Amino acid sequence: KAGVTQTPRYLIKTRGQQVTLSCSPISGHRSVSWYQQTPGQGLQFLFEYFSETQRNKGNFPGRFSGRQFSNSRSEMNVSTLELGDSALYLCASRVAGDFTDTQYFGPGTRLTVL
Amino acid sequence: SQKIEQNSEALNIQEGKTATLTCNYTNYSPAYLQWYRQDPGRGPVFLLLIRENEKEKRKERLKVTFDTTLKQSLFHITASQPADSATYLCALEGGSQGNLIFGKGTKLSVKP
Repeated sequence: KAGVTQTPRYLIKTRGQQVTLSCSPISGHRSVSWYQQTPGQGLQFLFEYFSETQRNKGNFPGRFSGRQFSNSRSEMNVSTLELGDSALYLCASRVAGDFTDTQYFGPGTRLTVL
Repeated sequence: SQKIEQNSEALNIQEGKTATLTCNYTNYSPAYLQWYRQDPGRGPVFLLLIRENEKEKRKERLKVTFDTTLKQSLFHITASQPADSATYLCALEGGSQGNLIFGKGTKLSVKP
């Protein structure tokens, strides 16, 4: 099976712009989670989608949003970009969203905000 | 609030030795704990999951312990090799939100 894929791999934006990142989960996986990773804060949970519904949400401002499509592919959007949004954005998929299911991470999208 | 700490940011050991990484948590009683490996430029890769009623779990050269009294997990790599060099992350079930909470990781360097 193909692994989790994320596009684009690298992105450079300027402050105030918005960005959309894409994640394709492993075939058959219905849960997709998004994380932000920075050197200072480590890996932080953004949100999780399961069967097209947001099931959990982390402590991030409303500028961060996401959605999931019927084929389980997911997108996340960040509006009004700030310098502090520069990070590696990772998505992870798992079969059904049970917390003991193994999470499979994608390679991430490296976002740089100038 | 829930807090998870990996005591060492970096750990340097000699090839062939046992690496021991520590994960401590506070203000929480997780039902399980997971360990991941992350290489530069890549996403984390799942290694092991241990449940609260399991004291120890092994997988090849890896061993994880889970002490719910001490609120601590230890991750051991025996007969370490340079290829084991990576950042290792522990993660807990996040409680009410149901998400995973990750520690900041320990960067392990195994010297030949």
